[in-house]
Amino acid sequence: GAGVSQTPSNKVTEKGKYVELRCDPISGHTALYWYRQSLGQGPEFLIYFQGTGAADDSGLPNDRFFAVRPEGSVSTLKIQRTERGDSAVYLCASSLIGGARYNEQFFGPGTRLTVL
Amino acid sequence: SQQGEEDPQALSIQEGENATMNCSYKTSINNLQWYRQNSGRGLVHLILIRSNEREKHSGRLRVTLDTSKKSSSLLITASRAADTASYFCATDPISGSEKLVFGKGTKLTVNP
Repeated sequence: GAGVSQTPSNKVTEKGKYVELRCDPISGHTALYWYRQSLGQGPEFLIYFQGTGAADDSGLPNDRFFAVRPEGSVSTLKIQRTERGDSAVYLCASSLIGGARYNEQFFGPGTRLTVL
Repeated sequence: SQQGEEDPQALSIQEGENATMNCSYKTSINNLQWYRQNSGRGLVHLILIRSNEREKHSGRLRVTLDTSKKSSSLLITASRAADTASYFCATDPISGSEKLVFGKGTKLTVNP
């Protein structure tokens, strides 16, 4: 079946603007994760959803970042008042049951965000 | 913050040779996973080893885990040019949180 998809693949915005990044997980996967990957680094955890609720949002760097998953499927990561330091590749992953201890995570191709 | 630290940061070998990458971590874990990332593509899960396992094989991959040393190694045997990628270890810490903590990765180049 189809894998995790993310849109847009690239997003260029200006400092101070608002952006939304979308993730479509694998159908039937209840767990969804957002990570951020800076150049030369490994992915850094942002937030984890189990169903519709955010089970762990400890990785969100500040209150400019917010994510939703209203119907337990598609998720949107929202960034307000973007800063140049937000430039990175934002990765989404999903897993069947949830919890790294039970299942591998399937990653999307990412959205490359560039804040000018 | 990054828990896993891979070494070397970069590795260049000839096709047919074996490649070994190491990962060290700081806190106790439930499991450790290895992922591969090709340039411009997403992360692909390679193998998961649980904290009570010491060694695991999958095709040309062999992973070891030493929880007393808080370290793991990934061995790729008979490497191919298509193995060229960045390899990341990711740990699931025993912290009650459902997230993976990634290292910075090893960039492997396999020369034909």
